[in-house]
Amino acid sequence: DAGITQSPRHKVTETGTPVTLRCHQTENHRYMYWYRQDPGHGLRLIHYSYGVKDTDKGEVSDGYSVSRSKTEDFLLTLESATSSQTSVYFCAISESGQNTEAFFGQGTRLTVV
Amino acid sequence: AQRVTQPEKLLSVFKGAPVELKCNYSYSGSPELFWYVQYSRQRLQLLLRHISRESIKGFTADLNKGETSFHLKKPFAQEEDSAMYYCALYHLSSGTYKYIFGTGTRLKVLA
Repeated sequence: DAGITQSPRHKVTETGTPVTLRCHQTENHRYMYWYRQDPGHGLRLIHYSYGVKDTDKGEVSDGYSVSRSKTEDFLLTLESATSSQTSVYFCAISESGQNTEAFFGQGTRLTVV
Repeated sequence: AQRVTQPEKLLSVFKGAPVELKCNYSYSGSPELFWYVQYSRQRLQLLLRHISRESIKGFTADLNKGETSFHLKKPFAQEEDSAMYYCALYHLSSGTYKYIFGTGTRLKVLA
């Protein structure tokens, strides 16, 4: 498996609290992505990064922020968690360029109660 | 806008039967398409990519630009093929690369 790990793997949090998920890679890949996986919606892009301190929004970015202060770490923060953010979150990494494979983390199951 | 459509949420077939998982895309440029698979309790992983024109685990997928499709096929399904399958479009937008995934199709292969 590519060197990509997510933490925590499981989390239960209360509505209104901030939550930070971490994605760590050892592959030195330029791109990092955060997706959420929901039944009937597949994988939807939240935010992505194309370099240190270079990030951009995906299709479902409201209520989320990200930071990438170094190549290996990409943090996803739920500023004030809501029940609609209960989901499985996946981090992915890839090199830049054409025909590039994405490598995924094992996912974080987040429950907001 | 770029879009990937997988019309079937669930596909059930018997072992040994042919399988076809449908994928259609919407993209104005030259598409780069992939199939990813997620087996139970495992992370998503690449199954195949259109540019390689290869067969992985007996699966093939042909890009049909006229029909904007990239259907995944296997002539004889096996029980171990049961998994969630995602079609993905990889594209360059505003100078950065992104993957767009379909909603996924769960394949169940029945004994």
